[in-house]
Amino acid sequence: SAVISQKPSRDICQRGTSLTIQCQVDSQVTMMFWYRQQPGQSLTLIATANQGSEATYESGFVIDKFPISRPNLTFSTLTVSNMSPEDSSIYLCSVGFKAGGADTQYFGPGTRLTVL
Amino acid sequence: SQQGEEDPQALSIQEGENATMNCSYKTSINNLQWYRQNSGRGLVHLILIRSNEREKHSGRLRVTLDTSKKSSSLLITASRAADTASYFCATDANAGGTSYGKLTFGQGTILTVHP
Repeated sequence: SAVISQKPSRDICQRGTSLTIQCQVDSQVTMMFWYRQQPGQSLTLIATANQGSEATYESGFVIDKFPISRPNLTFSTLTVSNMSPEDSSIYLCSVGFKAGGADTQYFGPGTRLTVL
Repeated sequence: SQQGEEDPQALSIQEGENATMNCSYKTSINNLQWYRQNSGRGLVHLILIRSNEREKHSGRLRVTLDTSKKSSSLLITASRAADTASYFCATDANAGGTSYGKLTFGQGTILTVHP
């Protein structure tokens, strides 16, 4: 199994500032992803964090707003830039890989962000 | 893009009863997965069913998949108060028959199990 940690677990930020969220996995994984879960809503994929190249963003998400780094196969960061109250959400990283022949998905515990 | 829809949006039952949640989707998939989330925390992967499978069991969980109707159901038997959580279906439409985490989630069902 994979163990994923995220830092910070929660934060309260002021409008206009930026926050960087870290995601650490205890094993090397090819695919890492960042999701957003707005209050009372389901999860929406923000981007795929690619190691050694630029992240691949989903429709509605742009690099200037959500820059992502993936320096190695166990670590990634997501920055939420120039925040507004609409960015208040839970941000989760996830990894996907095959374990024992079965597809396995793991999610981090999430970072709960409140923007005032 | 496809979007899963789940029903019911909320389900309230007594301990010991069975809980059934349904999920529908719009496009072809490689697999469908069910997750549980407790109180806005991280997601726990429950079960994955591939597009060529019709039914799968894991402990008290039973998942069915009907690709002709583009729908799936999750049955939790003999529910417990600890099963209280939000349940989400997620579809993987990636080519190649492998799942790499790029998932489209349904809106979720909030399950409350009363002791």
